[in-house]
Parts: sequence; C-alpha cells; structure tokens
Amino acid sequence: NAGVTQTPKFQVLKTGQSMTLQCAQDMNHEYMSWYRQDPGMGLRLIHYSVGAGITDQGEVPNGYNVSRSTTEDFPLRLLSAAPSQTSVYFCASSYSAGHGLFFGEGSRLTVL
Amino acid sequence: KNEVEQSPQNLTAQEGEFITINCSYSVGISALHWLQQHPGGGIVSLFMLSSGKKKHGRLIATINIQEKHSSLHITASHPRDSAVYICAAYNTDKLIFGTGTRLQVFP
Repeated sequence: NAGVTQTPKFQVLKTGQSMTLQCAQDMNHEYMSWYRQDPGMGLRLIHYSVGAGITDQGEVPNGYNVSRSTTEDFPLRLLSAAPSQTSVYFCASSYSAGHGLFFGEGSRLTVL
Repeated sequence: KNEVEQSPQNLTAQEGEFITINCSYSVGISALHWLQQHPGGGIVSLFMLSSGKKKHGRLIATINIQEKHSSLHITASHPRDSAVYICAAYNTDKLIFGTGTRLQVFP
C-alpha cells in the first residue's frame, strides 16, 4: 500500500502564480483533509472532506480551493499564490472520524 | 487560549530517563491522537484514545475524559525518540492540534 501520496514534495512559486498540490490515498478512506504547518503555530486545518462530492472549510481556508470528485483524490489549489502561503502542507486521510489516521509526507511550498 | 494545549514546549532528557508530555483540551472530543514528527519528516499517529490507557512498546498514552487531559509517557528514552510529539483532539470531523512538544534525548 502506498498510503497517502502527496506531490510535489517541494515547490517554489512567484507571487500570483497558481498551482495544485495533489493528494491521493489508496485505502478507500472517506475522510480527507489538508493542513498547513507553520513554525510556532502547529498544524491548522485548511479544508476537509467527509466523502466524495462533500467539502468544507477549516480554520484557514482563504486563498485555497478544494474538490473531491473521487474517494481517492483530494487536490488543494492555490489560485494566486501569496508569500503568506509559504508553509509546509500535509494531507491526511482516515476511514472514519479519527480512526486509521494517515498523513502524507508533506509538501514544502515557498512563495517569493 | 488554544483549544488544545501541550506542555512542555521543549524537553531535553538523558538516555534512559522517563518522559511525560501533557495535553489538555477545552472542547468536546470523540478521540485524541498522539502524533510523532521527526525533523524534516512526515507525521505518524502513535495512538488514538477515547478512554483509558494504551501501551505500545516503550510508549504509554493515557486519557482522562472528565478532566480533559491526556499524557504520553516514554519509558527508557532513547536518542531515536527525539522528535516533535503532537496531540490532536478529534472534534466533529475535525482535528484540533496542539503546538507540539520538541523532545531531544541525548546519549
């Protein structure tokens, strides 16, 4: 099993550019979520999904879009990158509320 | 005030010492996770607790639902235990994270 796969691992963007962070899981998990991790602030929830076709906002959703067209995939889109979005991003999945929780390896994004 | 608080923020220990990391939360939860993150590495779930106590090797996690408090203990600590330990409370489909405890174990 690959578990939770995130790509890319590293990315440098210029302000205003767009990009998509990919997240895929092969465990048939219903719950998927995106977090950002910043020094001294811990992990903060950006968006989450409790199943295909269902998404909701977390604590820091501004500047990010998500969609969940399949159970396996949960991409995170930055439409117009800003330096404040420089962070490490983690995708996570679980098969129910908190059970069988797995994280991707993280994606380090730098916006210049 | 954060909904999930951890203490201490930083912890250093000599190899072999008994370690305790504490987590208090102010929200209703269905479960609590203890996570481990090595430097530059991914995040791994060590335990999920909804009551009582769990043990895995040298790691023990306890939770007191009435007091809204959980502890992670490491017995006979080892340099490879050096990592950031994060507690995360599961509240209505969402995880709320503590800011983590950075543990360094020296030989």
